[in-house]
Amino acid sequence: DIQMTQSPSTLSASVGDRVTITCRASQSVLGWLAWYQQKPGKAPKLLMYKTSHLESGVPSRFSGSGYGTEFTLTIYNLQPDDSATYYCQHYNGYPWTFGQGTKVEIK
Amino acid sequence: EVQLVESGGGLVQPGGSLRLSCASSGLSVSSNYMTWIRQAPGQGLEWVSLLYIDGSTYYGDSVKGRFTVSRDNSENTLFLQMNNLRPEDTAIYYCAKVIPLGAFDIWGQGTTVTV
Repeated sequence: DIQMTQSPSTLSASVGDRVTITCRASQSVLGWLAWYQQKPGKAPKLLMYKTSHLESGVPSRFSGSGYGTEFTLTIYNLQPDDSATYYCQHYNGYPWTFGQGTKVEIK
Repeated sequence: EVQLVESGGGLVQPGGSLRLSCASSGLSVSSNYMTWIRQAPGQGLEWVSLLYIDGSTYYGDSVKGRFTVSRDNSENTLFLQMNNLRPEDTAIYYCAKVIPLGAFDIWGQGTTVTV
């Protein structure tokens, strides 16, 4: 199985900052990677698919990049509403797996 | 409005069974790839199962042989039959629609299973 590892596990940043979350795969997932945002008590929400394709309705402050085994999710101009846990997920072969999550806190 | 509504969760003894349902409105479960994902208390997300449009099924390693995904086209509902439940199956179970090839764009609100 492909293992997905996110870093950092937690980050704290100020409104207006740029934050970057990294997701590493134990073997290549090509470009088949998605990112989700989850707020407490809510279902996850799709932000990005196929590495860098922004889901409809997601602010353009979110950006994804990478290929193969290393991927990043960047949030530009961090907003209070971005406080959440973010997960990456690969879908290059079964089983699909998620990273362990990165909690983003607003200072 | 597209909506997925899960039900059927509850408290069950180890070794027991439950069947979860995911009722869909505004979205045909027979015309889409549909999946189940779970989240143990305070933990991350774990992909559980996938049902293809052609009826093919795929499962995560931890549930293979115990869980079965299916659908009822006339009821427009997705199911997850869970047998031989273990304490580690305790989680919120979400159903979701799959964008072809594997991202999940529409989610239900989840149903809680406690073993």
